Amino acid sequence: KNQVEQSPQSLIILEGKNCTLQCNYTVSPFSNLRWYKQDTGRGPVSLTIMTFSENTKSNGRYTATLDADTKQSSLHITASQLSDSASYICVALKAAGNKLTFGGGTRVLVKP
Amino acid sequence: NAGVMQNPRHLVRRRGQEARLRCSPMKGHSHVYWYRQLPEEGLKFMVYLQKENIIDESGMPKERFSAEFPKEGPSILRIQQVVRGDSAAYFCASSPELAVHNEQFFGPGTRLTVL
Repeated sequence: KNQVEQSPQSLIILEGKNCTLQCNYTVSPFSNLRWYKQDTGRGPVSLTIMTFSENTKSNGRYTATLDADTKQSSLHITASQLSDSASYICVALKAAGNKLTFGGGTRVLVKP
Repeated sequence: NAGVMQNPRHLVRRRGQEARLRCSPMKGHSHVYWYRQLPEEGLKFMVYLQKENIIDESGMPKERFSAEFPKEGPSILRIQQVVRGDSAAYFCASSPELAVHNEQFFGPGTRLTVL
């Protein structure tokens, strides 16, 4: 069964601190993995997209890693800001077709 | 270039009524996807359409739900005889014909509340 599991479910961090979110996927055959940021009441916005041949990709203070062998990915947020408070969703795409499989998301709350 | 637009943003219906959700893809995008997000859950794929064609509807409930993407105008997700369990956020995404890594761009969603 194609699944994407994320941990933790929620996270509280202090402004300026770093944090790392985890994602495990079983989507097969695998095409690419992406991380989205979803603010409350809004649609998801893409942060990074990685194919199986890419190990790491950065977008500003966001750095994603991918280990296609263990089928794990992480999203690291550096020097968090209050505006980073959102849900972060890990999404995998199968090699055939255009259907995305979404994880349940990690809710991040950044406190001053 | 305006992003993906959805309307209405909020929709309230009583049980048994019909709900019509509209999605206008980004300019130049010919692929549309609908997703549903139940409260406290992740997004779930519903249907994938190209102009005038349904490509994959494997995530659509078998009854009461239908989707279309006509040659002219927005894509419509139609829910007949709504029930309380249909209350959710419905997101539309679009992509161009040749999308790098099949990147999809999401709209702001329509929040449906069934009383």
